[in-house]
Amino acid sequence: GAVVSQHPSWVICKSGTSVKIECRSLDFQATTMFWYRQFPKQSLMLMATSNEGSKATYEQGVEKDKFLINHASLTLSTLTVTSAHPEDSSFYICSARSGGATGELFFGEGSRLTVL
Amino acid sequence: QKEVEQNSGPLSVPEGAIASLNCTYSDRGSQSFFWYRQYSGKSPELIMSIYSNGDKEDGRFTAQLNKASQYVSLLIRDSQPSDSATYLCAVNFNKFYFGSGTKLNVKP
Repeated sequence: GAVVSQHPSWVICKSGTSVKIECRSLDFQATTMFWYRQFPKQSLMLMATSNEGSKATYEQGVEKDKFLINHASLTLSTLTVTSAHPEDSSFYICSARSGGATGELFFGEGSRLTVL
Repeated sequence: QKEVEQNSGPLSVPEGAIASLNCTYSDRGSQSFFWYRQYSGKSPELIMSIYSNGDKEDGRFTAQLNKASQYVSLLIRDSQPSDSATYLCAVNFNKFYFGSGTKLNVKP
């Protein structure tokens, strides 16, 4: 299957700081990437759809000014958690779709964020 | 209203048995259907995709789709302890929507 790489795998930061997470599609071009968040023992929650060359589309209830998404190229999307607080601590996972609108979704390894 | 529903489990089966995982979805316009496996603390990995009614087999895994009943299932034959994980059903209608997952325990 297609390969999606995410970095960093885990990060610990102080409250009030910003954290950037990178998501790369290594062997295919992804015009669209998706960012999910997952709390312990809960399912994946879609945060936003990242569109190459245009603004991201955020799901209801997700603050676009807090979770900044940039999709500058066909292989890279970044999620920046600004002014992080302890309640932002979670597992953030990016994904990219291979093969068009009905194609398969492949996930990065995930980034575990802990805000102290 | 949830778009994709799964029984949260846990589903416990003995090693070597068949595990049957089920999923229902609400949108008849859904075009593609997927099963993902997620180990604790890891991100989901794709197991099977299915696009048309009927069965699709890949090794020990068989996905079944019934669009009229809006039902997708995953059968795991000869279950192994390493199959113990949470299985997520995903449905694609413009976006991917995930069920809450079914936790499977395969007992040695």
